[in-house]
Amino acid sequence: GENVEQHPSTLSVQEGDSAVIKCTYSDSASNYFPWYKQELGKRPQLIIDIRSNVGEKKDQRIAVTLNKTAKHFSLHITETQPEDSAVYFCAASKGNQAGTALIFGKGTTLSVSS
Amino acid sequence: DVKVTQSSRYLVKRTGEKVFLECVQDMDHENMFWYRQDPGLGLRLIYFSYDVKMKEKGDIPEGYSVSREKKERFSLILESASTNQTSMYLCASSRGSPLHFGNGTRLTVT
Repeated sequence: GENVEQHPSTLSVQEGDSAVIKCTYSDSASNYFPWYKQELGKRPQLIIDIRSNVGEKKDQRIAVTLNKTAKHFSLHITETQPEDSAVYFCAASKGNQAGTALIFGKGTTLSVSS
Repeated sequence: DVKVTQSSRYLVKRTGEKVFLECVQDMDHENMFWYRQDPGLGLRLIYFSYDVKMKEKGDIPEGYSVSREKKERFSLILESASTNQTSMYLCASSRGSPLHFGNGTRLTVT
């Protein structure tokens, strides 16, 4: 079945450094790639997403890049802050229908130390 | 703001019991989903539904069933609970994208 691989599983950075999380997907039909942030004890929340007709998207300190040919996408966080500490999940749509289910990676635990 | 409500935050059940996890959304979303979350395994899709009375199997449907009799409500059923179903269960809904998650139900099967 469809699969999403996410690396690294843990990432520790100093405040102010950049953090990069990478994902690869297997379903060529996937066309929607969101990133979710989950703080301890809370629900996953969408932080940024990208569709297959776009190569890069940025929102303040967060950016996502997509390489459809290679089937991989990445999350970039610049100027990290302690409140960025959380578990981050990448996901890919199960096929290309609007509203379809998402297949998630296993998550990356990001720790930002001050 | 989208609200996805899961009826129980914590649940403790015995092996062999039939367990119902309830999820209600208030935004008239067509699509609803059940995931389970385990440490190191991420979120795994159990079942989803695109419309009332419709259901699709996800990646790990074994041991589970679902019911969607009304658009706003999606129930996950564990026919005979087992200890390996101890987990955090997350419900989500959407119209298109993105998914909106509930707070989760932490189920312990003893």
